[in-house]
Amino acid sequence: NAGVTQTPKFRILKIGQSMTLQCTQDMNHNYMYWYRQDPGMGLKLIYYSVGAGITDKGEVPNGYNVSRSTTEDFPLRLELAAPSQTSVYFCASSYLGGAGSTEAFFGQGTRLTVV
Amino acid sequence: AQSVTQPDIHITVSEGASLELRCNYSYGATPYLFWYVQSPGQGLQLLLKYFSGDTLVQGIKGFEAEFKRSQSSFNLRKPSVHWSDAAEYFCAVVTYNNNDMRFGAGTRLTVKP
Repeated sequence: NAGVTQTPKFRILKIGQSMTLQCTQDMNHNYMYWYRQDPGMGLKLIYYSVGAGITDKGEVPNGYNVSRSTTEDFPLRLELAAPSQTSVYFCASSYLGGAGSTEAFFGQGTRLTVV
Repeated sequence: AQSVTQPDIHITVSEGASLELRCNYSYGATPYLFWYVQSPGQGLQLLLKYFSGDTLVQGIKGFEAEFKRSQSSFNLRKPSVHWSDAAEYFCAVVTYNNNDMRFGAGTRLTVKP
């Protein structure tokens, strides 16, 4: 099983550029999440989805957009990159969330630098 | 406001010594609690989880954690630390009436020879 796959692993963006971080899972999980990890800050939830066609904001959604057109894919879009978006981004998925929550499986992360 | 607190940013222990990592949460509803471990340059791996029932839960790699509702805590323990346990550890919470998973800031563990 591939699990959760994120691409790219590394990326350098210039201020104002846009990009999409890809995330796909092959476990037929309903729930998918995007987190950013900054030193000393832990993981902050950006967006999450409870199923295809349904997304919701997390703690730090500003500057990002997501879509969930299929169960497998949950891309994260940065429209106008800013230095504050320099971070490591993790995608995760779980079969269930909320009531009856199950374990989340994480991708390997995408290290993004905005210069 | 909902929050997960890991009071210790960095802990150093000697190999073979016991370990306790603290986690406190502030949620109004019944929580589902998790501990994850992150090795350098890697994603997160689940160590253990608590949903209900016995408040002492066993996980992988010899870790255990105890849920104490009265203290709003879910501390992670290991009787004897190995050098390979050096990593960053994250406590996470999901509540019954929420769909998102919130993490603490993490505790970095260093193991001395």
